[in-house]
Amino acid sequence: DIVLTQSPATLSVTPGDSVSLSCRASQSISNNLHWYQQKSHESPRLLIKYASQSISGIPSRFSGSGSGTDFTLSINSVETEDFGMYFCQQSNSWPRTFGGGTKLEIK
Amino acid sequence: DVQLQESGPGLVKPSQTVSLTCTVTGISITTGNYRWSWIRQFPGNKLEWIGYIYYSGTITYNPSLTSRTTITRDTSKNQFFLEMNSLTAEDTATYYCAREGGYYEFDYWGQGTTLTVSS
Repeated sequence: DIVLTQSPATLSVTPGDSVSLSCRASQSISNNLHWYQQKSHESPRLLIKYASQSISGIPSRFSGSGSGTDFTLSINSVETEDFGMYFCQQSNSWPRTFGGGTKLEIK
Repeated sequence: DVQLQESGPGLVKPSQTVSLTCTVTGISITTGNYRWSWIRQFPGNKLEWIGYIYYSGTITYNPSLTSRTTITRDTSKNQFFLEMNSLTAEDTATYYCAREGGYYEFDYWGQGTTLTVSS
């Protein structure tokens, strides 16, 4: 199975900061990497697909980059509604796997 | 708009079998090129993909669960199902159904159903 390692586990930030979340794959997965946001007591929500492709309805402050084994989710000027969990997920092979998540919290 | 809704018993005893239902509205589950998945999230937030049923009826399971998992569907009701047997406390989780879209991303999710395995 492909292992996805997310870092940091927790990120404490102030609204207005810009942040980068990392996801590293145990082997090359090309661009087959997607990002999700999950708020408390809600389902995950797709933020970015195929490493860098935007999703309709998602604010433009969210962007993704990377390919191969190293990927980054960037949030430009964090807003209070952005706090929660962020997960990466690979679709390069079966079984589909998810990273352990990064918790974005208010400092 | 595509919507998914899970339903299930909530509480089952160890060693029992559970059946969960995902009801899909806004699109037929036989529409081409989509995969209809089950995913679970354990306490502590770890996510695990369980398997999917393709629009054609082909099924793929996570090898770690294939021996005690069955995914089926009822196209007349636009529903798909997860059956899991030999349950233990380690199967306690929130179970989601989700659609895997054109880039193999999970683009639509249900709200989740909580399953607790306890005597």
